[in-house]
Amino acid sequence: GQQLNQSPQSMFIQEGEDVSMNCTSSSIFNTWLWYKQDPGEGPVLLIALYKAGELTSNGRLTAQFGITRKDSFLNISASIPSDVGIYFCAPAGSARQLTFGSGTQLTVLP
Amino acid sequence: DTAVSQTPKYLVTQMGNDKSIKCEQNLGHDTMYWYKQDSKKFLKIMFSYNNKELIINETVPNRFSPKSPDKAHLNLHINSLELGDSAVYFCASSQRPAGGRETQYFGPGTRLLVL
Repeated sequence: GQQLNQSPQSMFIQEGEDVSMNCTSSSIFNTWLWYKQDPGEGPVLLIALYKAGELTSNGRLTAQFGITRKDSFLNISASIPSDVGIYFCAPAGSARQLTFGSGTQLTVLP
Repeated sequence: DTAVSQTPKYLVTQMGNDKSIKCEQNLGHDTMYWYKQDSKKFLKIMFSYNNKELIINETVPNRFSPKSPDKAHLNLHINSLELGDSAVYFCASSQRPAGGRETQYFGPGTRLLVL
């Protein structure tokens, strides 16, 4: 079956530091989405990637769709306290079905 | 205005009861979904409806029955609730534009606790 690995599982960083997280899969995908979930809220879309090799930024966030179509990374630069939350990768194949990674819990220390 | 809304936000009930969760989207999307998030924050799709028709039905007990009265609504009815049903249930919606690029938008979640 399809395997999706997201790492790291959790991160504790100082405010101002850069953060990197990634997802790798045994399957090829057509779409990679990155979501953030704040406590008590639903996931909110951060970045959408639709093409192998695509590099997209959204403010301090940058994500790339791996050239093999089996992986993606998300970087956050100059972290701030409101970056705290759980980050999920969510790739999709030809069907309109997202598979969610296990999440990266980010804690930003002042 | 809330794009995807769910009611109730919290639901505490006894084992064996039947309950419903409602979802509405005002985005004009053609597809709606139900996801379950367990205590470890793992998100898994349960159902997907496109234009009121079921298109995805993952391995979910038949105690769970989705109902879509129209494109903007997807409700989830759960019969004979069990302790293991305790979780956060998220509704989502999406629209696939020309070119196949789509995204899914999530509601705020319904926190179900079965006692």
